[in-house]
Amino acid sequence: AQSVAQPEDQVNVAEGNPLTVKCTYSVSGNPYLFWYVQYPNRGLQFLLKYITGDNLVKGSYGFEAEFNKSQTSFHLKKPSALVSDSALYFCAVRVTGGGNKLTFGTGTQLKVEL
Amino acid sequence: DAGVTQSPTHLIKTRGQQVTLRCSPISGHKSVSWYQQVLGQGPQFIFQYYEKEERGRGNFPDRFSARQFPNYSSELNVNALLLGDSALYLCASSFVTGELFFGEGSRLTVL
Repeated sequence: AQSVAQPEDQVNVAEGNPLTVKCTYSVSGNPYLFWYVQYPNRGLQFLLKYITGDNLVKGSYGFEAEFNKSQTSFHLKKPSALVSDSALYFCAVRVTGGGNKLTFGTGTQLKVEL
Repeated sequence: DAGVTQSPTHLIKTRGQQVTLRCSPISGHKSVSWYQQVLGQGPQFIFQYYEKEERGRGNFPDRFSARQFPNYSSELNVNALLLGDSALYLCASSFVTGELFFGEGSRLTVL
């Protein structure tokens, strides 16, 4: 069975500071990893994905994520946070042959303050 | 280009009733997936359909069913509604597999 852990329910950061939202995963097989963002009362928006190749993945809105196989982690990062980045962030995993069955974490609420 | 569209956006039902939710995928996408998001939790996979065939099913009871039409749109049906079925139901489309593009969701409240 595959699983995702987002150890922090909430992350607070000051605008202009770097941010990190943590994610660890557990799969039997090669993982495909995703980050999505959800604004209040909205659907999920795709940010970035890791399939294979470079461990540093760049995505939308200046976000990036680093895949670390030995630590089974896929942390989301941004060099300089904006107030508008405040939202709920979900990490998700699926495996090869798993179709579109994504397993999501419980989400991390990011709050960026002035 | 239009994104994934879902209807209705909000609905209220009572226990024991039945509900049908609808989804139109992004043009060119042939796969539709359904997810349930209970308040405070991450989305849970319910179904995937591709070319009108079920390609995956999550751990949901038989009260949940779905189908995909020749134009690739999809319906999710839930029978004998329970209070615990109250959630945001998300539809997502993709070419076959790959990143999913989600709609805004249908928020179901069961009283």
